[in-house]
Amino acid sequence: QKEVEQDPGPLSVPEGAIVSLNCTYSNSAFQYFMWYRQYSRKGPELLMYTYSSGNKEDGRFTAQVDKSSKYISLFIRDSQPSDSATYLCAMSAADRGSTLGRLYFGRGTQLTVWP
Amino acid sequence: SAVISQKPSRDICQRGTSLTIQCQVDSQVTMMFWYRQQPGQSLTLIATANQGSEATYESGFVIDKFPISRPNLTFSTLTVSNMSPEDSSIYLCSVAFLLDSKETQYFGPGTRLLVL
Repeated sequence: QKEVEQDPGPLSVPEGAIVSLNCTYSNSAFQYFMWYRQYSRKGPELLMYTYSSGNKEDGRFTAQVDKSSKYISLFIRDSQPSDSATYLCAMSAADRGSTLGRLYFGRGTQLTVWP
Repeated sequence: SAVISQKPSRDICQRGTSLTIQCQVDSQVTMMFWYRQQPGQSLTLIATANQGSEATYESGFVIDKFPISRPNLTFSTLTVSNMSPEDSSIYLCSVAFLLDSKETQYFGPGTRLLVL
């Protein structure tokens, strides 16, 4: 079993739709949870960053972490064609205040938002 | 955040040859990482490169195949040695950086390698 599971999609939605992207994980030691966005032929770009459980909102993006279920989500409201990219979840088992060290990534979900 | 550049951005190489990939950061960072991203696969950490010490390799990756240099706090190189078509991949460097007093990792644009 991989440490981080993510449905690769592809996911195709119309402009304005609410998008839900998800990852599950098996290592209960994971404390830091990140979402990266990767446009075609570019490196991953940090989108959201959360520690432990709970929600975090940034504009149209909301990240949720449910440690009891080992499940994280990224919601995109009012999706735009410019949101078309691959979204990767990443996790770290580092303690709070420690260096992150190794990140464990999902395979990425390819999202297309059509006008 | 840090600005990270990689050279070359892409290359096509013959099997049996070696390629050195450079990673340059616009500020001093302690920890740099090298990842491989194969089509349809998650990012896989190759090694962690800290300035002033030997790189630490992950399981499945060895120094003879992927030698790494880290001569200062803004620069690192990864060499892919004795290449085979299985080494065709995107190679990414990343750096550990503080964001809102919390450490996270930022990535360079990647080097696309095709081995024939």
